[in-house]
Amino acid sequence: DSGVTQTPKHLITATGQRVTLRCSPRSGDLSVYWYQQSLDQGLQFLIHYYNGEERAKGNILERFSAQQFPDLHSELNLSSLELGDSALYFCASSGSRDREVSGANVLTFGAGSRLTVL
Amino acid sequence: AQKVTQAQTEISVVEKEDVTLDCVYETRDTTYYLFWYKQPPSGELVFLIRRNSFDEQNEISGRYSWNFQKSTSSFNFTITASQVVDSAVYFCALRSLNTPLVFGKGTRLSVIA
Repeated sequence: DSGVTQTPKHLITATGQRVTLRCSPRSGDLSVYWYQQSLDQGLQFLIHYYNGEERAKGNILERFSAQQFPDLHSELNLSSLELGDSALYFCASSGSRDREVSGANVLTFGAGSRLTVL
Repeated sequence: AQKVTQAQTEISVVEKEDVTLDCVYETRDTTYYLFWYKQPPSGELVFLIRRNSFDEQNEISGRYSWNFQKSTSSFNFTITASQVVDSAVYFCALRSLNTPLVFGKGTRLSVIA
């Protein structure tokens, strides 16, 4: 158990629908990252939050949004789902602000949420 | 821009063979960090090692060893005496100042008994 909790583990939905993926970081970690893993694109960085504030955005579609709450858990919202959104979505967390700036932080990943859009 | 290239898409070896997974990276930063992660069939991503750009010493941990060479921008990973449990996808990744962690496409290693 990595200490990063993601729910749900599996989710099957239809095109056009909206889903919310949830992530609880390791105790004490202030940073939460979201990654998408698909067969054709590999592991793609979506977004990073630090202590409730957005810090960096990657290749995140406008149909996707995220937030980090005061208790540090994070949610990734995916709307108007398309077949191509089917993927494994990972959340990761890290701590230590100084290491965060330098890039030294080790990201600890959750088990992932597998989304299937039919 | 940061980039990580893992040219080997899939490797298959027989148990007890040694295997090296290649990783080549690109960055303009002088301070950066390199990582290897393992993704077993169960799907989770497991951290294996982190190296910083100022430490080119090779590292050995049990059957695992890593060779970091700045001159060739490479950070290769060797598994000695491979075992079936080593079967997984292995990812090399790169991060530097205020940048997200960038992954290579991964190398799928199959160890056959």
